[in-house]
Amino acid sequence: GAGVSQSPSNKVTEKGKDVELRCDPISGHTALYWYRQSLGQGLEFLIYFQGNSAPDKSGLPSDRFSAERTGGSVSTLTIQRTQQEDSAVYLCASSPRWEGGYTFGSGTRLTVV
Amino acid sequence: AQSVTQLGSHVSVSEGALVLLRCNYSSSVPPYLFWYVQYPNQGLQLLLKYTTGATLVKGINGFEAEFKKSETSFHLTKPSAHMSDAAEYFCAVSAGTASKLTFGTGTRLQVTL
Repeated sequence: GAGVSQSPSNKVTEKGKDVELRCDPISGHTALYWYRQSLGQGLEFLIYFQGNSAPDKSGLPSDRFSAERTGGSVSTLTIQRTQQEDSAVYLCASSPRWEGGYTFGSGTRLTVV
Repeated sequence: AQSVTQLGSHVSVSEGALVLLRCNYSSSVPPYLFWYVQYPNQGLQLLLKYTTGATLVKGINGFEAEFKKSETSFHLTKPSAHMSDAAEYFCAVSAGTASKLTFGTGTRLQVTL
């Protein structure tokens, strides 16, 4: 597609439920990133995929968070047993190369009630 | 490791006045530097980036930034503010290798009549 597509755009879930957030990067972009944006925390790096290399998971805040990227394209971020502190906007970005200058999607606003 | 400091969480300027948003970075390797803009309820849009070469970088919407290694700065400027410039601006740094972006906490720009 023309841009990075994220779905859903909004998600309200009950505490303790699992959620899956989807990211469809720009076709041909080898790098894919997940960030979290919340009040008081700014933009936090979560995870980074580059081609077929092992992902950089150093930003995942707990083992309740995981992500995968299938076929080098679509990525899914999964949050298990959601907590209220997980409420945030989850942003996905992709890049054709490693040098940054990512293109961001519009994000998924997650609200845990 | 990299870090970014944005001085001033809120900046207010009059329409037509100079815009100056400050960014200082810390990096153990030659940095790649970026400015992103975020309009309400939207993702982040790349304004400009510095990788190598010319230290004065021009971006979209009339913005520019200058990389000053001696001052570890990458301040964003625009000669004449427009109402449509009202948004949140983020400075970011990466190590220039297959690495993530580290963002500053953002500066909200308000433009008044």
